[in-house]
Amino acid sequence: EPEVTQTPSHQVTQMGQEVILRCVPISNHLYFYWYRQILGQKVEFLVSFYNNEISEKSEIFDDQFSVERPDGSNFTLKIRSTKLEDSAMYFCASSTQEGQGDTGELFFGEGSRLTVL
Amino acid sequence: AQSVAQPEDQVKVAEGNPLTVKCTYSVSGNPYLFWYVQYPNRGLQFLLKYITGDNLVKGSYGFEAEFNKSQTSFHLKKPSALVSDSALYFCAVRGLSYNTDKLIFGTGTRLQVFP
Repeated sequence: EPEVTQTPSHQVTQMGQEVILRCVPISNHLYFYWYRQILGQKVEFLVSFYNNEISEKSEIFDDQFSVERPDGSNFTLKIRSTKLEDSAMYFCASSTQEGQGDTGELFFGEGSRLTVL
Repeated sequence: AQSVAQPEDQVKVAEGNPLTVKCTYSVSGNPYLFWYVQYPNRGLQFLLKYITGDNLVKGSYGFEAEFNKSQTSFHLKKPSALVSDSALYFCAVRGLSYNTDKLIFGTGTRLQVFP
């Protein structure tokens, strides 16, 4: 069964460093997302990406964050200068297969745990 | 704005007993509602969804949910709980922004099934 894959599974970084989290969404999906979850709490929406551009972003997704789809398969989240409060589990998700009807559910990866020291 | 509420932080049930995890929603228009489960140190797994049609929706692992429009609820249920059902459960509603399938999640309910 197709799945969303994320790397790295865990990254430890120093405050102020740049971090790139990588995701390979399910092939032929059209919408891509990043969510974050702080310490087993609420899952918060960060950004959605469609047709090679950001379609929506939350107030959390400030100028320190950026997303990119550098090729046909990868979808990356970059945090330019990490802060302590960026420590969280970051989940990538994708949805809606090209040519099919809108079924609504998102398919999530296993997450990348970011620890900022 | 679309939102869901999960009034219980934690639910404890004995194995073999029925379980209910509550969710209420607030939407403008017809809701798209979802349940996801998260096992420790894992991602979110889709359980079931309500889009339209029959109010009783069946999903993975024997779970079901009942859409109740008058009570604006979408409670998750299972007739007989298993210890392996112990996990964090999230209710979610789909946002209505153009060109996005964004899901808005509740705060989660931790289900503990004891032997």
